[in-house]
Amino acid sequence: GAGVSQSPSNKVTEKGKDVELRCDPISGHTALYWYRQSLGQGLEFLIYFQGNSAPDKSGLPSDRFSAERTGGSVSTLTIQRTQQEDSAVYLCASSLAGGRAFFGQGTRLTVV
Amino acid sequence: QKEVEQDPGPLSVPEGAIVSLNCTYSNSAFQYFMWYRQYSRKGPELLMYTYSSGNKEDGRFTAQVDKSSKYISLFIRDSQPSDSATYLCAMSAAQGAQKLVFGQGTRLTINP
Repeated sequence: GAGVSQSPSNKVTEKGKDVELRCDPISGHTALYWYRQSLGQGLEFLIYFQGNSAPDKSGLPSDRFSAERTGGSVSTLTIQRTQQEDSAVYLCASSLAGGRAFFGQGTRLTVV
Repeated sequence: QKEVEQDPGPLSVPEGAIVSLNCTYSNSAFQYFMWYRQYSRKGPELLMYTYSSGNKEDGRFTAQVDKSSKYISLFIRDSQPSDSATYLCAMSAAQGAQKLVFGQGTRLTINP
């Protein structure tokens, strides 16, 4: 595809349920990022994948959050036992090198 | 102290004015500097990208980086109502090897 694709675009889930968010990066991009953006706030770093290196998980807020990247391409962010404070827009970005990252449109997660 | 500081605004200016947006940072290892524009309910869009110190111009937009002062700026000339958005600065330390660190974003409104 031409850009970073995220699915679903919107997700409403009940508190305590698990959710999976998907990111399809731009083809050939070696780096992939997940960020979280709460209403009216800046971007909060979650996790960063670069090629075959171990991911930088330093931004994951709790052990309920995990992410994987299969085959160096598609990534899935999983939130277990969702809480209301997890409600936010989850943004994925990819880059080839040098930080020139391109974002998807995000997944708006609402936990009720 | 945050690694990247950005005044969240809001900033409101009349159409046609010159807009100046700024960020300061503390990590001297940052070498790649970016400005993103984010419209409401959309993902961030890469606007300007600069490596190390200096100026870069693209149409009505000019990005400046002063590494000695750890200060970056984005200037918008002949501002238009369509420029109304949140502008986020971002930076990274090394090519393809470090996560992007974002400022909080400045909400800008251009009044017709």
